Amino acid sequence: GESVGLHLPTLSVQEGDNSIINCAYSNSASDYFIWYKQESGKGPQFIIDIRSNMDKRQGQRVTVLLNKTVKHLSLQIAATQPGDSAVYFCAERVSNAGGTSYGKLTFGQGTILTVHP
Amino acid sequence: GAGVSQTPSNKVTEKGKYVELRCDPISGHTALYWYRQSLGQGPEFLIYFQGTGAADDSGLPNDRFFAVRPEGSVSTLKIQRTERGDSAVYLCASSLTVGGRYNEQFFGPGTRLTVL
Repeated sequence: GESVGLHLPTLSVQEGDNSIINCAYSNSASDYFIWYKQESGKGPQFIIDIRSNMDKRQGQRVTVLLNKTVKHLSLQIAATQPGDSAVYFCAERVSNAGGTSYGKLTFGQGTILTVHP
Repeated sequence: GAGVSQTPSNKVTEKGKYVELRCDPISGHTALYWYRQSLGQGPEFLIYFQGTGAADDSGLPNDRFFAVRPEGSVSTLKIQRTERGDSAVYLCASSLTVGGRYNEQFFGPGTRLTVL
């Protein structure tokens, strides 16, 4: 039978549209969140991050929104381009009370974004 | 400058064999991380090093997996008595430090391990 893991959420958009990719994170103690882009055959590439004391952060063409109440992250990509086609992962990290990072990232399942010219 | 490099890019082995996967971090990065990524999944944490010591090895699935970083730079992930379930892409990442709160992890391209 098929693996549940192969059924990644998918998002198909037309070039120039805005894209919104969502992620539910698991640990209420997480205080740092990152979005990564992964193209086929490559490692994850950092896109944008946000700290838990913020609810919005903007980069170039990308915006991350954080809702700690419902443990939800979203990544908005403006004017999506074919080169944005990839798998997008959110990741979370926990720091201890002293502010030292525990280092390890916990990744979500990922969303496949396909941009049609 | 050069990014994180991993060798080999692909490794095919037979069940029961021993394999070593190598990671060269970005020069000057004191923290090094290993993750495993199965098809259709996000990367899963295995272990990370701060300098030469393993700061957190809680993600290693069992005692067949071991990693070293003897000089605080290159790291080797070792898998004994490989099983078909070990087949995955093994990703390495490095960051400038771990002590700072928000240190970006830079990932290598991964080693695709296939156990027949």
